[in-house]
Amino acid sequence: EVQLLESGGVLVQPGGSLRLSCAASGFTFYNYAMSWVRQAPGKGLEWVSTIHGSDGTTYYADTVKGRFSISRDNSKDTLYLQMNDVRAEDTAVYYCGRTATVAGIDYWGPGTLVTVSS
Amino acid sequence: IQLTQSPSSLSASIGDRVTLTCRASQGINDYLAWYQQKPGKAPKLLIYRASTLQSGVPSRFSGSGSGTDFTLTISSLQPEDFATYYCQQLNSYPSFGGGTKVEIK
Repeated sequence: EVQLLESGGVLVQPGGSLRLSCAASGFTFYNYAMSWVRQAPGKGLEWVSTIHGSDGTTYYADTVKGRFSISRDNSKDTLYLQMNDVRAEDTAVYYCGRTATVAGIDYWGPGTLVTVSS
Repeated sequence: IQLTQSPSSLSASIGDRVTLTCRASQGINDYLAWYQQKPGKAPKLLIYRASTLQSGVPSRFSGSGSGTDFTLTISSLQPEDFATYYCQQLNSYPSFGGGTKVEIK
């Protein structure tokens, strides 16, 4: 059974940093691209970043480019999102998802809440 | 690429046929997915490549379209279908539409 579980969501001050993790199980992790998608309170879904499985190519939304960094450890079946210089508008539930590049996100974690506030 | 979903919300009854629309600001071939999201839950993939039903999704859901105009149809609305539906394009850097909330009439 495919399972994804995010962690690391906290209350953080503007300008601060945090790292989200997503532990994967039930599939061959390095064979799949992985993505982060976020959802601000009461708002719609926003794609944040994607990383390919084997070659590690990364893609970012313009809203986070230069501040966030996606990475993965295929030996630990874990996906990461390093978030630097966070802003109030980064407040959201962050979901990780197993990604088929042109076929969408077929498995999602339950999400982890990041709150940016002083 | 911008995705515009319409309507933003609709009210329907059990058994109704419901059609949701997603329009892309430029052609995206058939690289479109549809998701269902219930309050407090992660989204669920329903349709990919515009018309391919994800494994385990009931056959009352169907998708169509290519290029810039796409539809998601629920042939006979069931109680568990009341949710918000999002389209996502995967032709370039991914993006989501704003969502359509399907409510009980």
